[in-house]
Amino acid sequence: EAQVTQNPRYLITVTGKKLTVTCSQNMNHEYMSWYRQDPGLGLRQIYYSMNVEVTDKGDVPEGYKVSRKEKRNFPLILESPSPNQTSLYFCASSLRLAGTYEQYFGPGTRLTVT
Amino acid sequence: GDSVTQMEGPVTLSEEAFLTINCTYTATGYPSLFWYVQYPGEGLQLLLKATKADDKGSNKGFEATYRKETTSFHLEKGSVQVSDSAVYFCALSDSLAGGFKTIFGAGTRLFVKA
Repeated sequence: EAQVTQNPRYLITVTGKKLTVTCSQNMNHEYMSWYRQDPGLGLRQIYYSMNVEVTDKGDVPEGYKVSRKEKRNFPLILESPSPNQTSLYFCASSLRLAGTYEQYFGPGTRLTVT
Repeated sequence: GDSVTQMEGPVTLSEEAFLTINCTYTATGYPSLFWYVQYPGEGLQLLLKATKADDKGSNKGFEATYRKETTSFHLEKGSVQVSDSAVYFCALSDSLAGGFKTIFGAGTRLFVKA
């Protein structure tokens, strides 16, 4: 089954404790992206990757890191989480068709930083 | 910069009512436009898309037409069902802006009553 998986689905942590949210896709997509969803703000892009070892900042990259060492995996790293990073996070992978991108989303990771 | 504005919700309708969710955009290039749907507890799913002016995207009874003159991409459905209750996101992807940036609207929550 074609899918994007994220782990963990729920995470409660404390300020300053490094964490990683994993993302994996089995569709051989080149493009992957991380978003955060906050009430009233929709989804905002954190980072994206257009291929292995190619990453770039989205609209809200501060406080986050990513890596793309393999095509299927795109982990999101919070080196020193803060309460303002409490949010719902989505990973997506994308197929490029005729110059446009159709995105396939994971189920989300709800992060709470206390 | 690019932006997407969609009508605020929640929108509450009775079953079989007509649905319109307004979406307007600003973009520097020639964006592709999308509607995504998010059911409770799930990630987003692509509902429909349009890649150029006057294109009509359609899926599951939903339609939206890419109107360049009014910079709009309104979502419509002739007869909603309880199962359509979800959050709907309008989005644009502007490949001429470079990279793989996707801008989402804030989302519109739809409740359909039996």
